[in-house]
Formats: sequence, structure tokens, C-alpha cells
Amino acid sequence: QQQVKQSPQSLIVQKGGIPIINCAYENTAFDYFPWYQQFPGKGPALLIAIRPDVSEKKEGRFTISFNKSAKQFSLHIMDSQPGDSATYFCAASRGQGGKLIFGQGTELSVKP
Amino acid sequence: NAGVMQNPRHLVRRRGQEARLRCSPMKGHSHVYWYRQLPEEGLKFMVYLQKENIIDESGMPKERFSAEFPKEGPSILRIQQVVRGDSAAYFCASSPQRGREQYFGPGTRLTVT
Repeated sequence: QQQVKQSPQSLIVQKGGIPIINCAYENTAFDYFPWYQQFPGKGPALLIAIRPDVSEKKEGRFTISFNKSAKQFSLHIMDSQPGDSATYFCAASRGQGGKLIFGQGTELSVKP
Repeated sequence: NAGVMQNPRHLVRRRGQEARLRCSPMKGHSHVYWYRQLPEEGLKFMVYLQKENIIDESGMPKERFSAEFPKEGPSILRIQQVVRGDSAAYFCASSPQRGREQYFGPGTRLTVT
């Protein structure tokens, strides 16, 4: 029940495409859902996060869609660029507990 | 405002030696989390500390691993008698308060030979 399942494992898109990464969770006590971007040899960087009282959040080219009833959330990257090539992790936590439960990661490659 | 700092960035230890990993949180952050990333795997929570207190250590292996966050100085993750399976990237994250955004450091890559 503590798992967060992420798909796909890898994704290749052309420049300008809209990659979509999906995550699903079981624990309905989760109330905070961040996305992190990680480049090789670097630490994860917080991209965008959402709480379950909203269904969508946009920050720049990144959008989170949240479906509370289905217990799913997804990341969309608009107008993707080669510089977006990285590994993306979704995560979830219970607000009071703090620890993040991460998905398995999606390796994104954006071709020029 | 400096980010989360971790040192060393790379650490090589022989089997049976001790590894000490240090983490200095962002200024004003009093909550520290440690995560481990094994090759080709996601990040796994290890321990959550606040100044001088361990809040949640549910992800820590029962033996050989310990963590502290003293009143003064960095947080320390200590691994005694390292084995090859301890080879991984260890990340520290800090947060200004419980349940808020966590910001990660660059990690320490531990290699056990």
C-alpha cells in the first residue's frame, strides 16, 4: 500500500512533442504529490507538486494532472526540448509523515 | 542562499571499513531526510531527522546503519563494516518544516571494493 507505480520506464519523443508520464498509488492517506527531475550524476530537483484538492497545476511547460478517484496523477511536458532529457520521478507522501515514496523513474529522451 | 550540501561527493571504502556521509541542510531548514538510490532503481527513504531527534527510521537497515543530526553541525549518516551491497548513491534532502517541499543535495556516491 506504500507503493507508487510509475510508467513508462523509458520514453523517446521528438523535439516539440508532449511526453506524458503516469503514476498510480494505493494509499488514500497520501496528500502531497511532487515530481522530480534528475540528470546523470546529480541530485533530484523539485519540478512541480500538487495536493489532492486541485485537479491540475501548471508551472511553465510542466503540468500535473490529478485524478483523485482513480488514484492517478501524471506529468505532461509541453513543447519538449533536448535539454529536458533526464530521469523523472513521481513521489507521494502523507503531509504529517514527510517521507517521500518514489516511483521507479522514467528515463526521457527528447530527440532534436 | 546555498543549497543542500553533501560531502564527500565520492567515497571509496573497502569491505569492513566505516563510511561517514555528511549533509548540511539549506539555511533555515531544520528537517533532514536521507534516501538511497541503488543502481537502476528509484530512491528509497531511509531516515528522517529533526535537530537532535530521529523522527522516522523505518527505512534504515537494522544493523550497521545509524544517523544523527546534532544541535550544531551537519547531519551524519554512518555505515559500519560496509559490504558491496552498500554501494549506492546516498542523497540528503532538507525541508523548512514537516510536510513541506524537500530539496535534495548532489549526493554521495559510495563504492565498496
